[in-house]
Amino acid sequence: AQSVSQHNHHVILSEAASLELGCNYSYGGTVNLFWYVQYPGQHLQLLLKYFSGDPLVKGIKGFEAEFIKSKFSFNLRKPSVQWSDTAEYFCAVNARGNTGKLIFGQGTTLQVKP
Amino acid sequence: EAGVAQSPRYKIIEKRQSVAFWCNPISGHATLYWYQQILGQGPKLLIQFQNNGVVDDSQLPKDRFSAERLKGVDSTLKIQPAKLEDSAVYLCASSSDRSSPLHFGNGTRLTVT
Repeated sequence: AQSVSQHNHHVILSEAASLELGCNYSYGGTVNLFWYVQYPGQHLQLLLKYFSGDPLVKGIKGFEAEFIKSKFSFNLRKPSVQWSDTAEYFCAVNARGNTGKLIFGQGTTLQVKP
Repeated sequence: EAGVAQSPRYKIIEKRQSVAFWCNPISGHATLYWYQQILGQGPKLLIQFQNNGVVDDSQLPKDRFSAERLKGVDSTLKIQPAKLEDSAVYLCASSSDRSSPLHFGNGTRLTVT
């Protein structure tokens, strides 16, 4: 069965610090990978996605993620976080060619101190 | 474009009562999903519709949960009777097709006492 594991449950950073959130998935076939973000009081929004091609994908607000197939990982990075990045971040995967069903990780709460 | 609309935003009920949630997806989106998000966990898919047909309901507790999508547009999710462990946020999402990213609504926060 597919599963997604996010390494950090709660991360606290100061503004301008660099961010890396870990995500590993378990699935033997080809997958599509996503990072979603949920700002306080708002709905889940797509941050970035990987379907194929360049394993380094860039998303909104300066975020990027790198797909490393050999490690089944899709880590999220940002060189310099801002207070407005305070949110919950979810990694998600679906099996390519499948129903589109997304399997989510448990989420990482990021708190950025001004 | 207008987003996914859900109502109500909050609902508090006692165990063994029934409750219903409503979702209006983005216009033209054929695929609709209901997810359950328990506090501290990621969303878990309950049911997926393609137009008005069910694609996946393998994780829907069918003894108490039911869902329908009339005319392939709006959808309702019902719980009857509710249990304490049903306390969660119920998220509706839609996509234009199975391979497109999901657009989520704000969710309905259900508290069962």
